[in-house]
Amino acid sequence: KQEVTQIPAALSVPEGENLVLNCSFTDSAIYNLQWFRQDPGKGLTSLLLIQSSQREQTSGRLNASLDKSSGRSTLYIAASQPGDSATYLCAVRFWGSQGNLIFGKGTKLSVKP
Amino acid sequence: GAGVSQSPRYKVAKRGQDVALRCDPISGHVSLFWYQQALGQGPEFLTYFQNEAQLDKSGLPSDRFFAERPEGSVSTLKIQRTQQEDSAVYLCASSLARDHEQYFGPGTRLTVT
Repeated sequence: KQEVTQIPAALSVPEGENLVLNCSFTDSAIYNLQWFRQDPGKGLTSLLLIQSSQREQTSGRLNASLDKSSGRSTLYIAASQPGDSATYLCAVRFWGSQGNLIFGKGTKLSVKP
Repeated sequence: GAGVSQSPRYKVAKRGQDVALRCDPISGHVSLFWYQQALGQGPEFLTYFQNEAQLDKSGLPSDRFFAERPEGSVSTLKIQRTQQEDSAVYLCASSLARDHEQYFGPGTRLTVT
């Protein structure tokens, strides 16, 4: 069964710290992987999309890496800010699907001022 | 509009009532997805449309759930004879094509009492 797992489930850090969120997936035959941010009571905001042929993507203070062979992706957030507090979701499109994403349960991040 | 919109944002239904949830995708987006998100979980795939064709409905939990996109733009998710376990946030996403980045709406929070 194709599954996506995220650890830790929750993380609390002081402002200014660099941090890493982890995502693992059970099948290396992936088409792409997307990281999202979800604020309470809101929809999902796309942060980064990594195609299977890519190793990493960067946007501002965010950097996402992809290692298909080990079934892992990491989201690195540099110089965290209180405004980064949210739930971060990892989602994978596996080969053979019609395009739907399989999501992890998310990591709830709290950045303390 | 610039993004995906959904209505209503909140819906309270008595058990046994029928409900209809609407999604307006980004103009020109061919692919449209519906997901269900239970509290504290990641979204789970329900169904996928390419234009007006429903190509995958493998995630619909029962035959009480029905979705349509008759003109290849707006989509409606209908739930008949709602049950308490249907309480969740229903998210709609659209993309230029099925392999492209998915953009999510704010969701409809359904509460069945």
